[in-house]
Amino acid sequence: QKEVEQDPGPLSVPEGAIVSLNCTYSNSAFQYFMWYRQYSRKGPELLMYTYSSGNKEDGRFTAQVDKSSKYISLFIRDSQPSDSATYLCAIRAGGYQKVTFGTGTKLQVIP
Amino acid sequence: GAVVSQHPSWVICKSGTSVKIECRSLDFQATTMFWYRQFPKQSLMLMATSNEGSKATYEQGVEKDKFLINHASLTLSTLTVTSAHPEDSSFYICSAPDRTGNQPQHFGDGTRLSIL
Repeated sequence: QKEVEQDPGPLSVPEGAIVSLNCTYSNSAFQYFMWYRQYSRKGPELLMYTYSSGNKEDGRFTAQVDKSSKYISLFIRDSQPSDSATYLCAIRAGGYQKVTFGTGTKLQVIP
Repeated sequence: GAVVSQHPSWVICKSGTSVKIECRSLDFQATTMFWYRQFPKQSLMLMATSNEGSKATYEQGVEKDKFLINHASLTLSTLTVTSAHPEDSSFYICSAPDRTGNQPQHFGDGTRLSIL
């Protein structure tokens, strides 16, 4: 079983839709949860970062963590064509521990 | 703005050449940096952890003699792909955590390496 599972997509939605991206993980030692956005041929850009169960909101983005189910989500409201990218969930145990990435979900927002 | 700078962004070279990639933390000191490799349509795979002033820690299956890492200062780590071959062609990305170590990693923009 992989440490982090993420549906690779691709996911195609119309502009303005609510997008839901999800990851599951297997190791309960993971404490830090991140979502990155990666455009083609670019490095990942941090979108959201949280270390506790619950919701964290930043503009159109909401990160949700359920540690009891080992399930994390990223919601994008009022999706825009500029949101078209690959979204990677990333999880870390703590401190300088290495980060484990999901495979990434490719999102396309159609105008 | 960018907090981790990676150079070069793209390099094309002949088989057998050694290629050096630089990763710099711009406004913070990084005792630890990470090097990843990403193949098309795949996720980032950690290659090694670069530690300032000591030897790098390589992930299983990564040849340390092939991928030389040097972390000579608190703001610079280098990855040298020695005697590169076409199968080494990939997207290489470095990252560094903030000085507290508890903040998420900042990534460079990556280096696209093409070996002919």
